[in-house]
Amino acid sequence: DAGVTQSPTHLIKTRGQHVTLRCSPISGHKSVSWYQQVLGQGPQFIFQYYEKEERGRGNFPDRFSARQFPNYSSELNVNALLLGDSALYLCASSKTGGYSEAFFGQGTRLTVV
Amino acid sequence: DQQVKQNSPSLSVQEGRISILNCDYTNSMFDYFLWYKKYPAEGPTFLISISSIKDKNEDGRFTVFLNKSAKHLSLHIVPSQPGDSAVYFCAASITGNQFYFGTGTSLTVIP
Repeated sequence: DAGVTQSPTHLIKTRGQHVTLRCSPISGHKSVSWYQQVLGQGPQFIFQYYEKEERGRGNFPDRFSARQFPNYSSELNVNALLLGDSALYLCASSKTGGYSEAFFGQGTRLTVV
Repeated sequence: DQQVKQNSPSLSVQEGRISILNCDYTNSMFDYFLWYKKYPAEGPTFLISISSIKDKNEDGRFTVFLNKSAKHLSLHIVPSQPGDSAVYFCAASITGNQFYFGTGTSLTVIP
């Protein structure tokens, strides 16, 4: 069975640009969460979606947005990129988003220059 | 405001011995906890979970203990193997929806 897949694995963007990151959850999983991990820190929660509805939002500016599609895949969008947005962006999927284990993809390494 | 803390940035253990990784949390509403292992340039790998209705959960060489009164959980790895060398994160949530992660403990298992 395929795990959580994220694309692209790496990308470099310029300040002020926009970026879209993509995530395909494990088959049968209906919840997708997004996390940002900067060097030396644990992942920080950005969004959670379940059945295409936003279930939670972390303490991130409105430049960050996300959505979930009918096939349960998800996109994370970041507008007006700042140098501080450089990080590893992780997607996690779980069956229900509640008391079920969350499985992570390999992440997308975003570098803003 | 760090709600989940892993106060030991690193830990070294001899192969075959027990590794004990600790995690403290501040929010008494947390009721579901996960442990992850992470290698460089990879996403976290799920290891084991525990809900607040239990105080212990085992899966092979991995055991997680939860002390709700102390707001403390620990991960025991017995016996430790060189392949266990990685960064370990604990994560806590309320109803399993939004996870708060610690800063991680880097485990080195010495052959």
